[in-house]
Amino acid sequence: KAGVTQTPRYLIKTRGQQVTLSCSPISGHRSVSWYQQTPGQGLQFLFEYFSETQRNKGNFPGRFSGRQFSNSRSEMNVSTLELGDSALYLCASSFTGGADQPQHFGDGTRLSIL
Amino acid sequence: SQQGEEDPQALSIQEGENATMNCSYKTSINNLQWYRQNSGRGLVHLILIRSNEREKHSGRLRVTLDTSKKSSSLLITASRAADTASYFCATLPASGGSYIPTFGRGTSLIVHP
Repeated sequence: KAGVTQTPRYLIKTRGQQVTLSCSPISGHRSVSWYQQTPGQGLQFLFEYFSETQRNKGNFPGRFSGRQFSNSRSEMNVSTLELGDSALYLCASSFTGGADQPQHFGDGTRLSIL
Repeated sequence: SQQGEEDPQALSIQEGENATMNCSYKTSINNLQWYRQNSGRGLVHLILIRSNEREKHSGRLRVTLDTSKKSSSLLITASRAADTASYFCATLPASGGSYIPTFGRGTSLIVHP
């Protein structure tokens, strides 16, 4: 079974630009969560999608948005990029996002803002 | 905000030794999970322990949970160089209805061959 796939692996952007990151969950998984990982703040939850609906949201500004498609694939968009957005963005999937379901992570997209 | 906090932040041991890392949390939990992250990779789920469980084993891993002290420990026995990674605990709150785990900042483990 293929794991969680995130594309691209690396991305370099400049301040003010926007970026779209993609995540393909494990086949059959309908819950997709996004996290931002930085050395200073650790792993911070961005949002979770289930059945094309945003079900949970973390404390990030509106510049961070996402969506989920009918095949459970998800995209995350960051507009008006700031230097502080440089981070590893991780996507994780599970069957339904239930309490006892471990999350399966992709290898992330490393975003660098110049 | 981080619910779980790992201790120590960094651990350096020799191959064959045991590695113990701890996680403390503040509010009541539904379950606690441990994940491993190799450099430049995503997190890999290791083990989940429910709030009504006290100990779980998986291969060379042993996890304990003490809900009275709001703490958990992860023991890796007979460590190998391949165990070099960061280890994170993630807690799921007992109330609030959210199934989103909160991750700690991790323990960086280096195992010297």
